[in-house]
Amino acid sequence: AQTVTQSQPEMSVQEAETVTLSCTYDTSENNYYLFWYKQPPSRQMILVIRQEAYKQQNATENRFSVNFQKAAKSFSLKISDSQLGDTAMYFCAFFESNFGNEKLTFGTGTRLTIIP
Amino acid sequence: EPEVTQTPSHQVTQMGQEVILRCVPISNHLYFYWYRQILGQKVEFLVSFYNNEISEKSEIFDDQFSVERPDGSNFTLKIRSTKLEDSAMYFCASSGTSGGDLPYNEQFFGPGTRLTVL
Repeated sequence: AQTVTQSQPEMSVQEAETVTLSCTYDTSENNYYLFWYKQPPSRQMILVIRQEAYKQQNATENRFSVNFQKAAKSFSLKISDSQLGDTAMYFCAFFESNFGNEKLTFGTGTRLTIIP
Repeated sequence: EPEVTQTPSHQVTQMGQEVILRCVPISNHLYFYWYRQILGQKVEFLVSFYNNEISEKSEIFDDQFSVERPDGSNFTLKIRSTKLEDSAMYFCASSGTSGGDLPYNEQFFGPGTRLTVL
């Protein structure tokens, strides 16, 4: 079974600074997808960024980028120029790309607070 | 922009009662999911549904749970006899067709239903 581990329960950073959230996962599969979801106080789940395992290039979405290390099974999220609106829970998630196994497996989350 | 909707936003029920949580997935999506999140914990997969049948379910999804797509738009989760430990946020999600070489499309989440069992 796949597992996703987020070792940082809470983090805080000053506004405009850069912060990196860590995630590791365990799988025996070669084809899969990794995601970062943001959950603000409203508790809506919002997709931040995704990475296909077959792609070597790290995904980037504006201020959000990932460091994907496939051999190390590591998938960290970097938030640059952090903003107050980035305050939220962040969940790392794993998806195995086989039919009949359609679920997302989530980590326990990192609570990120941006300090004004 | 199309979105997944869920009703009600908050449901309070007595232990032992049946509840039905409703979801309207994005209209051209084919895969539907329920997840739950106990307060302060991670999001957990419950069940996936495709082609009018369950394609996968977790060990949480026992005989007290059932899902249904009664018409072309709604997707429901029924809990037959609620327990205190069923109190959680329940998220519905849907995703599109597995077109091309990628067997995955993004799962779009609804805003959730907060279920409180007293």
